[in-house]
Amino acid sequence: SYMLTQPPSVSVAPGKTARITCGGNNIGSKSVHWYQQKAGQAPVLVIYYDSDRPSGVPERFSGSNSGNTATLTISRVEAGDEADYYCQVWDSNSNQAVFGGGTKLTVL
Amino acid sequence: QVQLVQSGAEVKKPGASVKASCKASGYTFTSYGISWVRQAPGQGLEYMGWISAYNGYTNYAQKFQGRVTMTTDTSTSTAYMELRSLRSDDAAVYYCVRRSAAGTSQFEYWGQGTLVTVSS
Repeated sequence: SYMLTQPPSVSVAPGKTARITCGGNNIGSKSVHWYQQKAGQAPVLVIYYDSDRPSGVPERFSGSNSGNTATLTISRVEAGDEADYYCQVWDSNSNQAVFGGGTKLTVL
Repeated sequence: QVQLVQSGAEVKKPGASVKASCKASGYTFTSYGISWVRQAPGQGLEYMGWISAYNGYTNYAQKFQGRVTMTTDTSTSTAYMELRSLRSDDAAVYYCVRRSAAGTSQFEYWGQGTLVTVSS
């Protein structure tokens, strides 16, 4: 089945840019969605279809997808961005959603 | 506004079954399917499957086939997920989720989760 690989952790200083990657075989041919999950809460969709933002998500959140890597970029990182982030695609071969293992974003 | 409200925490013994519920509001229940995603303590998200609230069609992730049953009650706009033969590694928070719109693949709406503890 299709697999997505994320780095376990990313650290960034406030005001800087965080980039969280999601690797998969030819992931550029799939639509990638990103979720933010803060401690003790349900996940929240922050990016869908590679780079679209749901209403209410700050413009600081952006996404890209090409080749074997999709990237979630968070600009001007704030303390409130500290959370786990998950990428997700739909695997048409198995007809199921697939999630990456998650990346813990730490704001230094 | 779309809301998914799930049932409360459960404690089950190994080998038992658990049935979680998910009451939907704020939209026409039969127009969208409901998926279930679980998260073991300290672990990532795991997709379990999907049920059409229109006709009851189900599609389960291979890992759970034979052990999970998803159903809906359109009269109360409620979806259910039953997991049988519970093991210790089934301990998790179980979320019901709804996609943004028919034909899309992103999960925009999430329930608050149902914590299932499996312990003898």
